[in-house]
Amino acid sequence: DAKTTQPTSMDCAEGRAANLPCNHSTISGNEYVYWYRQIHSQGPQYIIHGLKNNETNEMASLIITEDRKSSTLILPHATLRDTAVYYCIVRIQNSGNTPLVFGKGTRLSVIA
Amino acid sequence: GAVVSQHPSRVICKSGTSVKIECRSLDFQATTMFWYRQFPKQSLMLMATSNEGSKATYEQGVEKDKFLINHASLTLSTLTVTSAHPEDSSFYICSARDPQGRNQPQHFGDGTRLSIL
Repeated sequence: DAKTTQPTSMDCAEGRAANLPCNHSTISGNEYVYWYRQIHSQGPQYIIHGLKNNETNEMASLIITEDRKSSTLILPHATLRDTAVYYCIVRIQNSGNTPLVFGKGTRLSVIA
Repeated sequence: GAVVSQHPSRVICKSGTSVKIECRSLDFQATTMFWYRQFPKQSLMLMATSNEGSKATYEQGVEKDKFLINHASLTLSTLTVTSAHPEDSSFYICSARDPQGRNQPQHFGDGTRLSIL
């Protein structure tokens, strides 16, 4: 079973920030939060991951609450190409033999 | 650029045909690869873990004789859907992670859409 809960769907206006929440209240101390997205008919694409500090890369920012029970993925300026299903996953880092387990994710629709 | 390459991207074939899907890790060696299946409007479901040099580990409910996995080298895993039937029509996705990099995420191929007529 997935250890995260996400809203089923969200809309965002093009050019605005998209804030995607994720609850992971049972996260363990050695588990990281990973975000992937899947554009229609493609394989999942890695976005970002973090443990407890906020993280930022060229794609997005990840804000993790101090108690680590929830996080938010931020796409600062959403474009139509960001329309996808976004998955929040918790797992132990460097567990190369342990596969990612996907929940249902959030379907983000970026609207012109 | 892609770090996991999957081929073919799409297959359409008759019922009873066996179909082979290849998954290659580019620029790194993967002792472990994962195979997922995704039905329309559903999430990815793990089918099996492919281990180089040993037998694959299958998830509950996945028939190992139906979905043959061969991890022949450190850069190649193949999934063969034997005697495929319409209910096997799905989107098959492979995944691998570079074990050398401490912070390397798990990467995915672009998937293979299998349609059985």
